[in-house]
Amino acid sequence: DTAVSQTPKYLVTQMGNDKSIKCEQNLGHDTMYWYKQDSKKFLKIMFSYNNKELIINETVPNRFSPKSPDKAHLNLHINSLELGDSAVYFCASSYRLDSYGYTFGSGTRLTVV
Amino acid sequence: DQQVKQNSPSLSVQEGRISILNCDYTNSMFDYFLWYKKYPAEGPTFLISISSIKDKNEDGRFTVFLNKSAKHLSLHIVPSQPGDSAVYFCAAGDTGNQFYFGTGTSLTVIP
Repeated sequence: DTAVSQTPKYLVTQMGNDKSIKCEQNLGHDTMYWYKQDSKKFLKIMFSYNNKELIINETVPNRFSPKSPDKAHLNLHINSLELGDSAVYFCASSYRLDSYGYTFGSGTRLTVV
Repeated sequence: DQQVKQNSPSLSVQEGRISILNCDYTNSMFDYFLWYKKYPAEGPTFLISISSIKDKNEDGRFTVFLNKSAKHLSLHIVPSQPGDSAVYFCAAGDTGNQFYFGTGTSLTVIP
């Protein structure tokens, strides 16, 4: 079974729409993350959610909001999508904040048209 | 099912020697491969990449080798330095689509 799963794998949507990407981990990890991979393959941290504490990267627009209903889930909600939001978004988890067992999901390719 | 595997969770190397980190993948359609480096309390940073049209890519002390027939890639660091101590992730994918990450290898370079 997939340890960190993201849905959907592909998402094509129009500018201005609101969309969500879901992430679930079955590893019993305490911490989950969202990353954005840019065109040069750099991974930029967007959010860390550790034991109900949210750590936000201040460069992330407030149109992006993480939602964690429980420790196993960290969803990413994006309001008013813009063309520049097109990227691959990766979810990841680890036992504790930046500890061992770091596991990535397979990514969600978001295309805004 | 894990499409990218790093079977060695940890590796210790003496300073000045070569570090070799290995990665195996299962999908023969993968045509682009990356290595990331991650320090504690930081996110992964991109290190080096290779496309399937090459079998070697070199950048300073870092060289990535790709063996397509074996579905295997490796990262060589020579000479290893204490600052190289970090977790290294390999990732593989089909350009323009999904990338799959391995679970990482923790490298410790001993001074």
